[in-house]
Amino acid sequence: DGGITQSPKYLFRKEGQNVTLSCEQNLNHDAMYWYRQDPGQGLRLIYYSQIVNDFQKGDIAEGYSVSREKKESFPLTVTSAQKNPTAFYLCASRDRSLQPQHFGDGTRLSIL
Amino acid sequence: GESVGLHLPTLSVQEGDNSIINCAYSNSASDYFIWYKQESGKGPQFIIDIRSNMDKRQGQRVTVLLNKTVKHLSLQIAATQPGDSAVYFCADLGLDSGGSNYKLTFGKGTLLTVNP
Repeated sequence: DGGITQSPKYLFRKEGQNVTLSCEQNLNHDAMYWYRQDPGQGLRLIYYSQIVNDFQKGDIAEGYSVSREKKESFPLTVTSAQKNPTAFYLCASRDRSLQPQHFGDGTRLSIL
Repeated sequence: GESVGLHLPTLSVQEGDNSIINCAYSNSASDYFIWYKQESGKGPQFIIDIRSNMDKRQGQRVTVLLNKTVKHLSLQIAATQPGDSAVYFCADLGLDSGGSNYKLTFGKGTLLTVNP
């Protein structure tokens, strides 16, 4: 089945460590997105990419980095500069402008 | 700034009743609205969408109503079932502040609990 796969489902980070969250889609979608979700909150946009080798900062990009070397992959790195990284991270993709985004099942990141 | 908000953070209904979840938006230039359902520990799942040139759209057991005059969106779920228990988000798609990219803005969500 086509969809978005996020891995791992749970991830733990030590102080001062960078961690990378994987997002892969086989929907042939051009646009991909990373969101952060905190308890009782809506989704906040971290980074997005409209095409391969191009990406833009969202509302809360500080402490995060991304790459888009392939259409199907959009990994997110949570760097040591992100002081409050504990959250649920969601990856999404979209086909065209006025179409809904499709989401993966998220990665829950915690600090050891 | 632009925002999408929900009137009620929680809603509790009896199985078989109809549910209505409300959402207010502030961006009068919004082109497109989406309702998502999110179950615990999972990503949001698309339920139904509506474009700004429509005021009603129906799906299977769900109806979305759009009132552009008062910038209000609602999701109606008919014959609510225990499996409908989840957090429901509305989202508003409109151009970002730069006017060059579409941006999806989410509300905080409404927790729907269906009592058997």
